[in-house]
Amino acid sequence: SSELTQDPAVSVALGQTVRITCQGDSLRTYYASWYQQKPGQAPVLVIYAKNNRPSGIPDRFSGSSSGNTASLTITGAQAEDEADYYCNSRDSNGDHLEVFGGGTKLTVL
Amino acid sequence: QLQLQESGPGLVKPSETLSLTCTVSGGSISSSTYYWGWIRQPPGKGLEWIGSIYYSGSTYYNPSLKSRVTISVDTSKNQFSLKLSSVTAADTAFYYCARVVLMLSYDAFDIWGQGTMVTVSS
Repeated sequence: SSELTQDPAVSVALGQTVRITCQGDSLRTYYASWYQQKPGQAPVLVIYAKNNRPSGIPDRFSGSSSGNTASLTITGAQAEDEADYYCNSRDSNGDHLEVFGGGTKLTVL
Repeated sequence: QLQLQESGPGLVKPSETLSLTCTVSGGSISSSTYYWGWIRQPPGKGLEWIGSIYYSGSTYYNPSLKSRVTISVDTSKNQFSLKLSSVTAADTAFYYCARVVLMLSYDAFDIWGQGTMVTVSS
């Protein structure tokens, strides 16, 4: 099955811009979706279909994709953005199979 | 507003079968637009997709768990369920149910339940 690779940890100064990346062969075929998970809470979808935000997600969150890499960018990071972020896509090896990245812990300094 | 709620035992003995149910409220599980999925997360670790089901009963499972997993749907109760057999301590995790949007170019788990912790221990 496919794999999605994320950096385990990333930090950003308050108000600055941070990019979280996700690499995998499946991303050459399918867009990534991105999820934010805060301690003790369920994941929340923040970006889907390359660069679409569900209702209620701030516009400082954006997505992009190139080749086998998808990126989640937070422009003007806020303290409340400190969380774990996971990417996900359909597995390129089979219909309707899913794969998640290992997650990135974002620290806002 | 659509909501999902997991339910089931929080403690399961090794070698037994873990059984969870996800109840969908505020919308129909029989919508042709969505699938319904199970995801788990061991404490302190990442997310792992377990499997997904369509209201018609079509199922898709993680190959690493396929031999032990059964997901079913009960449209009359607006519920779908997970059974995981022959559990070990490695199956201890938070278990989430979620609605799945499946499109040509992407998938997304757009609505999640709050999750339920299942511990495998004698």
